[in-house]
Amino acid sequence: EDQVTQSPEALRLQEGESSSLNCSYTVSGLRGLFWYRQDPGKGPEFLFTLYSAGEEKEKERLKATLTKKESFLHITAPKPEDSATYLCAVPYSGGSNYKLTFGKGTLLTVNP
Amino acid sequence: GAGVSQSPSNKVTEKGKDVELRCDPISGHTALYWYRQSLGQGLEFLIYFQGNSAPDKSGLPSDRFSAERTGGSVSTLTIQRTQQEDSAVYLCASGSPPGGDTQYFGPGTRLTVL
Repeated sequence: EDQVTQSPEALRLQEGESSSLNCSYTVSGLRGLFWYRQDPGKGPEFLFTLYSAGEEKEKERLKATLTKKESFLHITAPKPEDSATYLCAVPYSGGSNYKLTFGKGTLLTVNP
Repeated sequence: GAGVSQSPSNKVTEKGKDVELRCDPISGHTALYWYRQSLGQGLEFLIYFQGNSAPDKSGLPSDRFSAERTGGSVSTLTIQRTQQEDSAVYLCASGSPPGGDTQYFGPGTRLTVL
């Protein structure tokens, strides 16, 4: 059974204090790993897809990396507007069904 | 372009009543997914549509839950005889696998069963 575990559950940073969020997964035949951002009362907003170990993607202050067992979301010099819940997910490993298995998320709070 | 839309944004109902939740996917997306997000739980898969057919209904929690999709577009999730444990945010996502496997989510419908 596919499993996704995120840590920490919650992270509080000061503005400008860089850190990383972790997403570890157990899935046979990884067909990608997705990062989403979710603001309160809204649906998840797509950030990145990573497909193979060693791959990295960047967007503004965020950089996502992937190894064979985990992914990291690095946040460099965060700002208060980066406060949100960050979710990672992996797609089902069979056929054309890409249903996602999500981790429970990391609630990031960035204080000014 | 227009994203995924869902209606209503909020629904309050009484235990035992039926509810219908609607999802309008991104135009041209062949795949449509329903998920449920409960307090303290992660997002849970409910059902997957490819076109108008639902090859995977494995996440529907009981036979009170059903969904349909018409015209390869709009989908409706119906919950019959609602229970308090059905209270959650119901999220819809669409995508175009296998070439475009990213799923784009709507804003969700918050369902409260009193």
